[in-house]
Amino acid sequence: EVQLVESGGGLVQPGGSLRLSCAASGFTFSSYWMSWVRQAPGKGLEWVANIKQDGSEKYYVDSVKGRFTISRDNTKSSLYLQMDSLRAEDTAIYYCANGDTFDHWGQGTLVTVSS
Amino acid sequence: QAGLTQPPSVSKGLRQTATLTCIGNSNNVGNQGAAWVQQHQGHPPKLLCDRNNNRPSGISERLSASRSGNTASLTITGLQPEDEADYYCSAWDSSLSAWVFGGGTKLTVL
Repeated sequence: EVQLVESGGGLVQPGGSLRLSCAASGFTFSSYWMSWVRQAPGKGLEWVANIKQDGSEKYYVDSVKGRFTISRDNTKSSLYLQMDSLRAEDTAIYYCANGDTFDHWGQGTLVTVSS
Repeated sequence: QAGLTQPPSVSKGLRQTATLTCIGNSNNVGNQGAAWVQQHQGHPPKLLCDRNNNRPSGISERLSASRSGNTASLTITGLQPEDEADYYCSAWDSSLSAWVFGGGTKLTVL
């Protein structure tokens, strides 16, 4: 059974940083693209970033370019999102998802940016 | 980054058929196809159809996806109460090098 478990969310002040993690199991992690998708309270889904199987390609939504960094460790079957210079508008549930088309999703971790 | 266009809400009766639409352009839906996810209130999304219109195992045969030009569609036949949820389409945009989502459609089963 595929499992994706996010962690690392919490309350942070504007301008602060957080590092999200996603622990994967139940599939060959190194064979899959991985993505972060977020959902602001009461809003729709927004893709944030994705990373190729070997980490050689990374893509970001414009609003986080230069502030967020996606990475992975295939030896630990883990996906990461380093979030710097956080803004109030980054407040959301952050989901990790595997595959070309978001085949499976985790339960998400809540990030709240507020003073 | 421009997203895909979905109607905010659709309402249909029990056992009726609902068709949800998703309008993009030649750089995303028209070129790459669209995937569909379902999200029940308070739960994470779940993939219903990939961008090749294939259903993952365990997804009901009452669901089917198709594409015509820049418009993708998700059809749900024999509507059941458990089909009441939010539905999102998504596509890779080759000009943006980014995934784009639709705003979502809230399906109500009357």
